[in-house]
Amino acid sequence: AQSVTQLGSHVSVSEGALVLLRCNYSSSVPPYLFWYVQYPNQGLQLLLKYTSAATLVKGINGFEAEFKKSETSFHLTKPSAHMSDAAEYFCAVSNSGGSNYKLTFGKGTLLTVNP
Amino acid sequence: DADVTQTPRNRITKTGKRIMLECSQTKGHDRMYWYRQDPGLGLRLIYYSFDVKDINKGEISDGYSVSRQAQAKFSLSLESAIPNQTALYFCATSPLPQGYNEQFFGPGTRLTVL
Repeated sequence: AQSVTQLGSHVSVSEGALVLLRCNYSSSVPPYLFWYVQYPNQGLQLLLKYTSAATLVKGINGFEAEFKKSETSFHLTKPSAHMSDAAEYFCAVSNSGGSNYKLTFGKGTLLTVNP
Repeated sequence: DADVTQTPRNRITKTGKRIMLECSQTKGHDRMYWYRQDPGLGLRLIYYSFDVKDINKGEISDGYSVSRQAQAKFSLSLESAIPNQTALYFCATSPLPQGYNEQFFGPGTRLTVL
């Protein structure tokens, strides 16, 4: 079985501050990991993905995430928040085994950026 | 042009009515999925399909049915809608073969059941 825990359902930062959104996963086989972003009234858009290549993954809009196997984590960061980053962010895991059709999502973290 | 489209985008209906949500894709992907999103619960899988002859239940399929009319079309039906089916519904696609199952999402359908 696989699962995802996102710590903090709501994170608030000031414009220009560091963004850190936390994600921990559980998987019985090597995982594939994703971060998706959902802007208001829109669908989910892929920010970045880890597929067992480099552990530090760079995505769109200046975001990056680091896969840490020992900590079972895949936290999302951005050095300097912008107002346009305000959205809901979802971490998701799929596995490299036979049931790799299944993408399991965390419950989401709503990011607010204050001027 | 949108690769994954959903119709309608918004729907208000009454308890007991039959509702169909439609999804079309131009990505040429074999796999299609239906999810529902509820505040604080993330996305949960309702049904998924690997091709037109392969349809499978997800974790919350009760009260829902699906039809895969063609590779590009996957419809979700609520046979008799109830208020706790009020949610945001997403269709998604992913290609075969692909090991890591990256999924591509439609814009969503907001369904309200009164």
